[in-house]
Amino acid sequence: GQQLNQSPQSMFIQEGEDVSMNCTSSSIFNTWLWYKQEPGEGPVLLIALYKAGELTSNGRLTAQFGITRKDSFLNISASIPSDVGIYFCAGQDNNDMRFGAGTRLTVKP
Amino acid sequence: GAVVSQHPSWVICKSGTSVKIECRSLDFQATTMFWYRQFPKQSLMLMATSNEGSKATYEQGVEKDKFLINHASLTLSTLTVTSAHPEDSSFYICSGGSELNYGYTFGSGTRLTVV
Repeated sequence: GQQLNQSPQSMFIQEGEDVSMNCTSSSIFNTWLWYKQEPGEGPVLLIALYKAGELTSNGRLTAQFGITRKDSFLNISASIPSDVGIYFCAGQDNNDMRFGAGTRLTVKP
Repeated sequence: GAVVSQHPSWVICKSGTSVKIECRSLDFQATTMFWYRQFPKQSLMLMATSNEGSKATYEQGVEKDKFLINHASLTLSTLTVTSAHPEDSSFYICSGGSELNYGYTFGSGTRLTVV
């Protein structure tokens, strides 16, 4: 099936720093989604993007749907310790949803 | 907001036995339920997609006779792992979708350990 390339795989940052991660695909998606997953829990939706070029914010999080519909990025500004977790991108096209491999974020106080 | 309740949250079973995992959409009708499997430090892998009242569509490499999916109502879908083996040990997550929140709401996951 379609695969999403998500990078970086992991990040170790200092509290207060900004974070950026992105996803690319060889195929077009109609919707891009960003999730955060904490250990032993299901993913929780952070931001959903529905239109090419769309830029959406949710607090300190900002995500964009690439113009080509084949990529998306997520930025986290002024990171805090509770931002720790695994962040997944997901592309959705009708009845199909694919995930990136995840970015493991560690924030040092 | 939309909630999907998944049970059990963890289960340990003996090799050769069957385990059933349930996902219920509490405040919306999930016309579609996605079932995923996640191995440690890996991404979610789609196993199958089920639409209420019809047979599930399985991804390539997923044995439909081993992973039985039932989606008999708009609020309940089940995944039964039959004749479980240690290699089936994994984290299983469902995601319920409807016209309003298509594919967006995940259950909390089930940690299956087969011994």
